[in-house]
Amino acid sequence: EPEVTQTPSHQVTQMGQEVILRCVPISNHLYFYWYRQILGQKVEFLVSFYNNEISEKSEIFDDQFSVERPDGSNFTLKIRSTKLEDSAMYFCASSGPPGTSGVNEQFFGPGTRLTVL
Amino acid sequence: RKEVEQDPGPFNVPEGATVAFNCTYSNSASQSFFWYRQDCRKEPKLLMSVYSSGNEDGRFTAQLNRASQYISLLIRDSKLSDSATYLCVARYNFNKFYFGSGTKLNVKP
Repeated sequence: EPEVTQTPSHQVTQMGQEVILRCVPISNHLYFYWYRQILGQKVEFLVSFYNNEISEKSEIFDDQFSVERPDGSNFTLKIRSTKLEDSAMYFCASSGPPGTSGVNEQFFGPGTRLTVL
Repeated sequence: RKEVEQDPGPFNVPEGATVAFNCTYSNSASQSFFWYRQDCRKEPKLLMSVYSSGNEDGRFTAQLNRASQYISLLIRDSKLSDSATYLCVARYNFNKFYFGSGTKLNVKP
């Protein structure tokens, strides 16, 4: 069964450092998402991406965050200067293809746990 | 303001019981709704989409009431493996999704 993969599974970084979280969405999906979940809290939408551009973003997704699809398979989330409060589990998800009911049905990766010290 | 609200539970039920969860959403422009389950420290997994006419998938039934802005999930004949947190999700605009905080279910033998 196709699945979304994410690397690394755990990333530890110092405050102020840049991190890049990587995701490989399901191959025929065209919509991509990043979410975060602070320990014990709800899953929070960060951004959705379609056709090589951001389609929606939340208030959390400020100038410190950026997303990129550098090639045909990877989807990345960059945090430029990490803060303590960025510590969370970051989930990537994908859905699609367009024109089908599957466009709404998101499949999540296992997450990257980011710890900012 | 919480976009999607759920009773956090926990709901503690015996095996074989029927249990129902409700969820309310604040934005009447919400377009689509879903139930996900999340096991401890794992990723959310889609359980089912929620259609206006209501829909059923095996032991699971989902209902949507747009007038009252709530969604429900009914689980019949609960299994131990149903123990998880159930997340209510609403889609806004083109591709923006709001998750509720989840309702925790514990099914006991």
